Amino acid sequence: GQQVMQIPQYQHVQEGEDFTTYCNSSTTLSNIQWYKQRPGGHPVFLIQLVKSGEVKKQKRLTFQFGEAKKNSSLHITATQTTDVGTYFCARSNFGNEKLTFGTGTRLTIIP
Amino acid sequence: DGGITQSPKYLFRKEGQNVTLSCEQNLNHDAMYWYRQDPGQGLRLIYYSQIVNDFQKGDIAEGYSVSREKKESFPLTVTSAQKNPTAFYLCASSIGSGTQYFGPGTRLLVL
Repeated sequence: GQQVMQIPQYQHVQEGEDFTTYCNSSTTLSNIQWYKQRPGGHPVFLIQLVKSGEVKKQKRLTFQFGEAKKNSSLHITATQTTDVGTYFCARSNFGNEKLTFGTGTRLTIIP
Repeated sequence: DGGITQSPKYLFRKEGQNVTLSCEQNLNHDAMYWYRQDPGQGLRLIYYSQIVNDFQKGDIAEGYSVSREKKESFPLTVTSAQKNPTAFYLCASSIGSGTQYFGPGTRLLVL
């Protein structure tokens, strides 16, 4: 199937350290979306990347889409306790609205 | 106040019982989705609907059923055929293949 692999599965960082999660696909992606799910909450949309090599920033968050459109990354600079949660990438499937979610990276912050 | 709502927040199911989870949206979105999330896991698609009176099976449809009689509503029934129903159920809606907006979720527990 059209799966997306996400690594790492877990990441524990000291507050103030940086964090990166990676999303990889064996096939070319039309676009990639990123979501954040706080503990006990529901996923919330963060961003969508469409263009090859695209880089978008939201404050301390930097999102990248690979040149070949087969991978993507989310980087958080100087993590804060509010960054705790699970970050999911999701790919859309050509021809319909269905998304396939990655396995997620759970970020925990050590104060 | 626009959004997507799910009820109940918690639901208990007895052996052999069918239960129905409610999902309502007033965002005027054509597409709606049901996901299952197990503890520490990602989101798996159960069913989705791109338009009223039409729906398709997702990756784990066995033991579940849905209906889409109104644009605003997409209820999910967990039937007695679903042998391991304990999970967090998330409903979402979208316009096309864009951002998916999630409801707060329903936690289903088996007695």
